[in-house]
Amino acid sequence: DAMVIQNPRYQVTQFGKPVTLSCSQTLNHNVMYWYQQKSSQAPKLLFHYYDKDFNNEADTPDNFQSRRPNTSFCFLDIRSPGLGDAAMYLCATGGWRETQYFGPGTRLLVL
Amino acid sequence: AQTVTQSQPEMSVQEAETVTLSCTYDTSESDYYLFWYKQPPSRQMILVIRQEAYKQQNATENRFSVNFQKAAKSFSLKISDSQLGDAAMYFCAYGDQTGANNLFFGTGTRLTVIP
Repeated sequence: DAMVIQNPRYQVTQFGKPVTLSCSQTLNHNVMYWYQQKSSQAPKLLFHYYDKDFNNEADTPDNFQSRRPNTSFCFLDIRSPGLGDAAMYLCATGGWRETQYFGPGTRLLVL
Repeated sequence: AQTVTQSQPEMSVQEAETVTLSCTYDTSESDYYLFWYKQPPSRQMILVIRQEAYKQQNATENRFSVNFQKAAKSFSLKISDSQLGDAAMYFCAYGDQTGANNLFFGTGTRLTVIP
């Protein structure tokens, strides 16, 4: 049974056109994370939510925003996608100081 | 800042044989977690094994085991009786216990299993 669901699995957008990626989890965990993974690289943490508390990594561009309307859902908004934002975006969830469980990812293509 | 180093970009192993993937990390903390995640091609990241730093006993999960050397800051993964389904990218990760368990990943080792 899927524990972390990401939609869509593939997203194509145009340069500068806002895009939203979604993630939901069935584990009822406090923490949700968004990672960016470029080809053949390690995942890089963008930000995380602990409950409703938003925590941005210092080097995450302002172009990336996130929303968490409830425990189960978390959204990644890219306000003005550039070519360099093409990547796999991974959502993960975990309890406080617990193992993180990852979704299948959304592959973003920017034209 | 914590860093995780995987010095083997690629490894290969014959089916049914044993392979060891290396990982070293740098931290000033005494309490942390270490993980090995597997990422098959175009598929999601899956937890392979987890080690708590305060535990001296090495973690094992079926064919997967680790050699955790805390003083040396080394955390290698041994895969026994390798199977074709083990072919994937393997990431070593350090779990930061000072915050919300943020993960710091190594650059990964691509494992090929030869039939």
